[in-house]
Order: sequence, then structure tokens, then C-alpha cells
Amino acid sequence: GAGVSQSPRYKVAKRGQDVALRCDPISGHVSLFWYQQALGQGPEFLTYFQNEAQLDKSGLPSDRFFAERPEGSVSTLKIQRTQQEDSAVYLCASSLGTGPQPQHFGDGTRLSIL
Amino acid sequence: SQKIEQNSEALNIQEGKTATLTCNYTNYSPAYLQWYRQDPGRGPVFLLLIRENEKEKRKERLKVTFDTTLKQSLFHITASQPADSATYLCALGGNSGYALNFGKGTSLLVTP
Repeated sequence: GAGVSQSPRYKVAKRGQDVALRCDPISGHVSLFWYQQALGQGPEFLTYFQNEAQLDKSGLPSDRFFAERPEGSVSTLKIQRTQQEDSAVYLCASSLGTGPQPQHFGDGTRLSIL
Repeated sequence: SQKIEQNSEALNIQEGKTATLTCNYTNYSPAYLQWYRQDPGRGPVFLLLIRENEKEKRKERLKVTFDTTLKQSLFHITASQPADSATYLCALGGNSGYALNFGKGTSLLVTP
């Protein structure tokens, strides 16, 4: 596709449920990032993939958060046993290579935990 | 701890004027800095990247400066238009080239 695609755009879940958020990066992009954005704040880094390898997961808030990119393209961010503080917009970004370069963002998934 | 500060207040300017947004950082030695634009309900859109050994970068009506001594970047939009109204995010990157550390953003409103 022309840009980064994320689905679903909106997700409402009850506290304690598991959720899965999907990211389709730009075709051929090596690097893929996940960020969490709270209302009125800038995006905060969660995790980074270079192809299928997860090279940095230092930003994941807890072991309830898990991300994968098994074939080096589509990525899924999974949150287990969701809590209210998980409510935020989850943004995915991809870039062509590694190192300093523009990141192309999707429009995010807005997650609300009731 | 690392800290990135952008204009805390929203910036309101008149169409045609130059908008200047600031990004200050502490306890950080970024290898590069990026500016993004974000509209409500949308993801950030890349605008400019400037490296630590560059003082200034320009792209059409946009100009960014990077002063590693002052630990500050300035972002200018000349001849501003109402369509420039958005939130502008400053993001710092390290030598590893992985994560970006974002500021909170500055909301810009350009009125006719």
C-alpha cells in the first residue's frame, strides 16, 4: 500500500481482556516501530524491529505487552489482561532502512479500556 | 533524566507571519533531530531531519536550526497559512538510530 496501515482504528475492551493490534508497514521497509501516545502527549517508544528481529523492547511497560513481526513485514502488538492505564493511541511507524531517517506513521489504533 | 521541552503554550499567529517553535533538551546528546506535524486523529508526518553536525536545514517555507551548545532547535514556518495549523512535534534520535524521543508538541493556530 501507499502508507502504513493500522487496524482496527478503534478498539474498546473490558479490563482483563486481551487485545491484538495490527500494523502493515510500507512494503520493503526494514525498520518498524511501535509507539504509545497518551492524550496531549508526544508518542513514547515501545519497541523496534529490524526485519523480523526485535532489537529493542526497552519501552514495553510490562510483560503484558508483546510484539512480533514473524516474516519481517506485518507486525502485531498484543496486550494481555488489559488495564485502564493501557488506554491510549498506539502508533506504528516504518522506515526504509536503519539509522537516522524519516519514520512513516500510521494513523494509530485508539484503545479504550472500560 | 532525559528531558525534551517544547513551547508549553499554544502559539497563535496571523496569516503571513513567521511562526517560530522551540525545542529544548537536557541530559541528552542526540545524533540528530526531527520535526513532525500531527493533525487531530492522525499519525505524525515527517517534515525535516537535521544532524548534529548541521546548523540549519531548509525545505520550502520551513527552516530548522540545531544548536548543540545551547541544546536547542528552532523550527520556523515563513509566510504561515491557516493550513499550517496543527501540532508540531520535536523528536531526538541517538547514534543507534532506533527509537525517537518525542517532546509533547506545540499547538500552532494560524488565523486569517
